[in-house]
This record gives sequence, C-alpha cells and structure tokens, in this order.
Amino acid sequence: RKEVEQDPGPFNVPEGATVAFNCTYSNSASQSFFWYRQDCRKEPKLLMSVYSSGNEDGRFTAQLNRASQYISLLIRDSKLSDSATYLCVVNWGGFKTIFGAGTRLFVKA
Amino acid sequence: SQTIHQWPATLVQPVGSPLSLECTVEGTSNPNLYWYRQAAGRGLQLLFYSVGIGQISSEVPQNLSASRPQDRQFILSSKKLLLSDSGFYLCAHRGAGENSPLHFGNGTRLTVT
Repeated sequence: RKEVEQDPGPFNVPEGATVAFNCTYSNSASQSFFWYRQDCRKEPKLLMSVYSSGNEDGRFTAQLNRASQYISLLIRDSKLSDSATYLCVVNWGGFKTIFGAGTRLFVKA
Repeated sequence: SQTIHQWPATLVQPVGSPLSLECTVEGTSNPNLYWYRQAAGRGLQLLFYSVGIGQISSEVPQNLSASRPQDRQFILSSKKLLLSDSGFYLCAHRGAGENSPLHFGNGTRLTVT
C-alpha cells in the first residue's frame, strides 16, 4: 500500500462545478496534514492545512478523518484558475513529510 | 518573512558530469531543510533532509549526496550524473515546529543528456 494514495484523475469539470478529491494514508501515527497546489512546471504551494474539525478557506473545504485515515478537499464554484494538480501531504512527525502523487484538475469554460 | 532561493532554474548536463545545486534560506535560523525530486509526471520523492549544520539524513540510496556547510545553505551534489537523475529538484524548508508545512523554492529543472 502506498504511504499516501490519491486518484490521479484527471477530473474535467465545467466552471462553477463542485469537485471533491480524496486521499488515504497508511501511517496511523501521522501528525499533520495539508493540501498543496502545483501548477505545471512550478513548485508546489501550500493551499491549506487539514484538521479533524474541518476547515474552510473561501471556496475550499478540507476534512480529515483519522479513524479512516482519509483526507478530502472540496472545491466549490470552480474557476478556470483552479486548474492544477492537487497534492495530498502527510507529515509523519520527526521531520518526515510524504507527498501523494497528485490529482489533476481541469476546469473548462 | 522566510524566503528560499534555488539556482540555477534550469540545467542541461551530459551523463557522467558532476552536479551541484544550491539552496539558501533567508529570514530564519536553524531551519529544517529538504531536497525532493520530481520525475516527469510523477510525485515528489524525498531525497535528503537536514536538521542542522553537518546533519544529513538520506532517504533513498543513489548517486546523489547532500551537504549543509552553513546554517542556511543546503547543497545537492553528484559526482557522475545518470540519465535517471533527470527531474525537477526542489529545496524546501519547514516552518516553525515539526508539524508545520513545507515551503518550496522555485526548483531546478535538470535534464541529463
């Protein structure tokens, strides 16, 4: 089983759609969780942290389910500019951070 | 604020040639520093991390090495490049606290020919 597993997609959605990405992780001792966004040929950039209580940043909502070792990201009212690869990231603590391979999103007009 | 610099942005090197990529961080002291590699169309692979000067942990055995000669400097090296070393090399530092997220430099795109 991969340490962090994501559906690679691609997800092709129209502008204004709601899209959800999921991620599972194998290490139950993982301590912190994040979603990053990576544009083509660019470095990954932090999108948001993920908490068990759920957190929202504008059109983006992230959720963590520790019991199921599952992380989600919901994007509402998709914009063309949301087209990117979304990386699920798990921090094991002790300085080790593992990245998922990413889910590609294409938002079309 | 903390800033991370990487250079060069792109590099084309022949097989068997040496490599040196440099990363420096500003605005923080004693940062935890990381080297990742991303092969074309693939995820990020952790190569090395460092918690202090002279302290290097290697995650994947290969023909690469890393050094940390100064507090805010992290260098990735190779004596002889292989075709399989091609990829996007990213340096990152961790924010305050071991559970903080990583922040990346702009990366170096290496093509080994």
